[in-house]
Amino acid sequence: DQQVKQNSPSLSVQEGRISILNCDYTNSMFDYFLWYKKYPAEGPTFLISISSIKDKNEDGRFTVFLNKSAKHLSLHIVPSQPGDSAVYFCAASGGNAGNMLTFGGGTRLMVKP
Amino acid sequence: SQTIHQWPATLVQPVGSPLSLECTVEGTSNPNLYWYRQAAGRGLQLLFYSVGIGQISSEVPQNLSASRPQDRQFILSSKKLLLSDSGFYLCAWSVMQYGYTFGSGTRLTVV
Repeated sequence: DQQVKQNSPSLSVQEGRISILNCDYTNSMFDYFLWYKKYPAEGPTFLISISSIKDKNEDGRFTVFLNKSAKHLSLHIVPSQPGDSAVYFCAASGGNAGNMLTFGGGTRLMVKP
Repeated sequence: SQTIHQWPATLVQPVGSPLSLECTVEGTSNPNLYWYRQAAGRGLQLLFYSVGIGQISSEVPQNLSASRPQDRQFILSSKKLLLSDSGFYLCAWSVMQYGYTFGSGTRLTVV
């Protein structure tokens, strides 16, 4: 049972435009959500997070939105840059899992110059 | 500062050979440690996690095993590799706060 899902395996965006990556979860006990970015042959690096007490968190070009009623979060990248091309994983923790993370399957973002 | 070391970066092993991947963490005590695998074109699969020395939990039954001989050392092993063991292996740690820090990964190719 996949508790965290990223339904789009890939996304292609033009440089300068907005990239929107989506993530859905099923476990209502999750209370902390994170996005990781992964380049090929490297470990994932932390990008941005959001607590369930918020519905938005912004850090520079990156904004994460959380819709608890829909059990949905999204990552917005504005403006998108070619260096943003990578695989993005959303992750969630909380409830019985404690601080153990449950990852989505990832979305490959390609930003075209 | 906390750092995580994972080696080797790449490894090519024949089918049936043993495997040992090592991960060490510096700058923190009693971390939770994790081994993940990313198969080609797939997401992150949790293989093992450890909350302390000698304490290993397995998430997926498979050809691999893990050990934690010291507080900040986590080892992934296999006695006989299969072709299906090929993938990108990642070690990660966490301490109390939410979120993981990942190592740089090991690309394992079983031939």
